Amino acid sequence: QKEVEQDPGPLSVPEGAIVSLNCTYSNSAFQYFMWYRQYSRKGPELLMYTYSSGNKEDGRFTAQVDKSSKYISLFIRDSQPSDSATYLCAMSGNNFNKFYFGSGTKLNVKP
Amino acid sequence: NAGVTQTPKFRVLKTGQSMTLLCAQDMNHEYMYWYRQDPGMGLRLIHYSVGEGTTAKGEVPDGYNVSRLKKQNFLLGLESAAPSQTSVYFCASSYRVGSDTQYFGPGTRLTVL
Repeated sequence: QKEVEQDPGPLSVPEGAIVSLNCTYSNSAFQYFMWYRQYSRKGPELLMYTYSSGNKEDGRFTAQVDKSSKYISLFIRDSQPSDSATYLCAMSGNNFNKFYFGSGTKLNVKP
Repeated sequence: NAGVTQTPKFRVLKTGQSMTLLCAQDMNHEYMYWYRQDPGMGLRLIHYSVGEGTTAKGEVPDGYNVSRLKKQNFLLGLESAAPSQTSVYFCASSYRVGSDTQYFGPGTRLTVL
């Protein structure tokens, strides 16, 4: 079993929809949770960063962490065609030397 | 401030040839990583380094070697390329793991014929 599981999609939604992207994990030592956005033929870029449990909001994006369920989510409100990309979750913790990534969910927002 | 850069951007090799991919960062980061990304497989860690002069194996190290002679550079070598090494290679760096995040380079597209 992989340490981080993520539904690969693809997920196709109409413009303006609310999008929910999710990851589950198995290692309770993870404390830092990240979402990366990767456009086609580009490197991943950091979108959201959250420490421990709770919510974090940045514009149209909200990241949620539920450590009790080992479940993280990224919500995108009022989705735009420019949000079409692959979204990767990642996580780590203290005393780790590396990050653990989900396999990515491909999102397509249709105009 | 260029961030993380990778050289070359594209390369085509024949089976059995060797090559070196160069990653450079100008953020004074301690940690550097090499990943490969294949369709449906996500990012897989090949090797990483926790500081100048150190290297460690990741998830898929076979067929690759690395060196970190200078803090700002992390080299990935393919000694004898195989078609299974056709992939997109990403370098990343971070100041530390845990309370810091990774910054990625633009990637190198490698095709092995």
